[in-house]
Amino acid sequence: DIQMTQSPSSVSASVGDRVTITCRASQGISSWLAWYQQKPGEAPKLLIHSASSLQSGVPSRFSGSGSGTEFILNISSLQPEDFATYYCQQVNSFPRGTFGQGTKVDIK
Amino acid sequence: QGQLVESGGGVVQPGRSLRLSCAASGVTFSKNGMHWVRQAPGKGLEWVAAIWYDGSKKYYADSVKGRFTISRDNSKNTLYLQMNSLRAEDTAVYYCASPIDLTYYFDYWGQGTLVTVSS
Repeated sequence: DIQMTQSPSSVSASVGDRVTITCRASQGISSWLAWYQQKPGEAPKLLIHSASSLQSGVPSRFSGSGSGTEFILNISSLQPEDFATYYCQQVNSFPRGTFGQGTKVDIK
Repeated sequence: QGQLVESGGGVVQPGRSLRLSCAASGVTFSKNGMHWVRQAPGKGLEWVAAIWYDGSKKYYADSVKGRFTISRDNSKNTLYLQMNSLRAEDTAVYYCASPIDLTYYFDYWGQGTLVTVSS
C-alpha cells in the first residue's frame, strides 16, 4: 500500500504569511495527487487535483507542485478563511485513495 | 448544483449492524463511481470503500473487508454502506464522496453522518 506522509503536522501562521505544506509518497505516484481543505464540522473541499491543477472556484493564492514522491501545497498570502486542516490524497492506486495524516494551519 | 446527503448514523453496540445511505440529487448518479470515506473523532481521513458506476466492481479498505458491504440502487440515486460486526474503532463520521466532474478526484462530498459504536 502507498503511504502518504505530510509535514509539518501543524503550523502556526499569521494573516498574510506564506505557508508551505509537504506531502511525500512511499512510492512514485506521478502526478496523481489531490489537496483538500477541511474546516471543523465540515466536509473536505477539493483545492488542487493532478498535483498542480487548481479546482474551479478556488482562490489563486493556493498552488500545488511536485511529481513522483514529493509534493507541495503553497498558500501565498494566508487569509482568515484559510485557517483549516489540509490533507493530501494519492489516487495512483485508484479507487483506493490514501490520505495523508493532515496539517493543521492555525493562528499564530 | 449536485448534492450528496448521508443518513442512517447513530449509536450502536459493538457487534451489531447499521446501514448508511447517501442520496444523490442534481448529478447523473448512474454514471459515477461512489466512495465512502470516514473520519474518527479528532483524526484524519480514511478511505473505506468504492463501487463502480454500475455496481459491477467493489473495493474495500483492509480495515473493513469482510464486515462492510457497499452497494447502490441507481433507480433510487442512492448509495449504501452495510456495516456488520461493528467495533469501537469504527466510530467515525462517514462521508460519501464522488468524482463527478473529475475522473479520479472527489469534487463532491456529503455532509457526513456520525456512527458511534459503544456499549
